[in-house]
Amino acid sequence: DTEVTQTPKHLVMGMTNKKSLKCEQHMGHRAMYWYKQKAKKPPELMFVYSYEKLSINESVPSRFSPECPNSSLLNLHLHALQPEDSALYLCASSQGRNEQFFGPGTRLTVL
Amino acid sequence: AQSVTQLDSQVPVFEEAPVELRCNYSSSVSVYLFWYVQYPNQGLQLLLKYLSGSTLVKGINGFEAEFNKSQTSFHLRKPSVHISDTAEYFCAVRRSNFGNEKLTFGTGTRLTIIP
Repeated sequence: DTEVTQTPKHLVMGMTNKKSLKCEQHMGHRAMYWYKQKAKKPPELMFVYSYEKLSINESVPSRFSPECPNSSLLNLHLHALQPEDSALYLCASSQGRNEQFFGPGTRLTVL
Repeated sequence: AQSVTQLDSQVPVFEEAPVELRCNYSSSVSVYLFWYVQYPNQGLQLLLKYLSGSTLVKGINGFEAEFNKSQTSFHLRKPSVHISDTAEYFCAVRRSNFGNEKLTFGTGTRLTIIP
């Protein structure tokens, strides 16, 4: 299994809602990542988890809260988002110095 | 810090013609290099990677790239493109001596195949 899965595929939420994005991989990778991608731009790193511990936080606003419940799962909790947070949110995983495997993404729209 | 430059934001090419997508990088330490492809409304798929060894790297879908350390380049080539190659292509770099490192992406090149 060389797949990273993400749910939901699409999400529409209001600025007062609380929602969560989920990511799962069964490749035994011990690093997992969240990226944000705006239209016609490259992905921007948000968070890195290594061995279930947060190792990189790229100064992301606190309305985004990551969680790594175990080595296969990565969540991104969303609260009080702004319309400018609308984007494609990509999850990725990797092991050691090897390449990152990306999921299909969640298309988020904040109204 | 590392940086990646993809000078061509858009490249139109006729079907069955060759193509080269350019990528230059900057880094004070040794790096690994990657090319990813992104089809509309999808995630990123790895085309090929350079970690060490032969500087000519072959990837999926008939693509190849050549690592040139003196010119700090990693250009992507395909001898004959197909309609299905229409997509966004990202060059990326990361430090080689560290595990679980962040990727630094270029701004992307939109490849459009003209029938």
